[in-house]
Amino acid sequence: DTGVSQNPRHKITKRGQNVTFRCDPISEHNRLYWYRQTLGQGPEFLTYFQNEAQLEKSRLLSDRFSAERPKGSFSTLEIQRTEQGDSAMYLCASSSGTGIAYNEQFFGPGTRLTVL
Amino acid sequence: QKEVEQNSGPLSVPEGAIASLNCTYSDRGSQSFFWYRQYSGKSPELIMFIYSNGDKEDGRFTAQLNKASQYVSLLIRDSQPSDSATYLCAVKGSGGFKTIFGAGTRLFVKA
Repeated sequence: DTGVSQNPRHKITKRGQNVTFRCDPISEHNRLYWYRQTLGQGPEFLTYFQNEAQLEKSRLLSDRFSAERPKGSFSTLEIQRTEQGDSAMYLCASSSGTGIAYNEQFFGPGTRLTVL
Repeated sequence: QKEVEQNSGPLSVPEGAIASLNCTYSDRGSQSFFWYRQYSGKSPELIMFIYSNGDKEDGRFTAQLNKASQYVSLLIRDSQPSDSATYLCAVKGSGGFKTIFGAGTRLFVKA
């Protein structure tokens, strides 16, 4: 399967714990995005990487959230001191950044986070 | 005003009919427009993109863009029950790299 993969698919944690999610984009894609989606809403942009550089981060993202893409391949999203309001689906998407498909994003299956 | 607005629906159409989904956006400088389909419990799937004013057709789907009116639409011809899903409109704005999604329109196609 050459699509975007995310792990874990589900995560249940207690309030105050730290969690980390991983995203593996489509291999030739240099652009990677993280989104958060809650029930009845569209995906909400969190952050964007071009290769290993984090070029944009949502102002809505608190300092408890951090993301990395150390070698320009996979990415991790960490949430520290989780709160119940962090419960959501966390989606990763990638795009090639070139040609006519330069901004078309392909989504992974998501990681569903439940904070108790 | 939301950056990308869609009617939440549900929009209900009979099998074989045309489903018309609409979206407006606030950033006049936006350049790229996308429609995603999302089945319940699944992640969004790209079905159409449009960058220029006018119509773009792909199979049973037609995307329409009117930048002067800041309006994007998606027409689904010969609607099938398998088209029942939430359709998300997404817009890449003029500044930065982020793509803004609408809240989606739920479509039900009745057999």
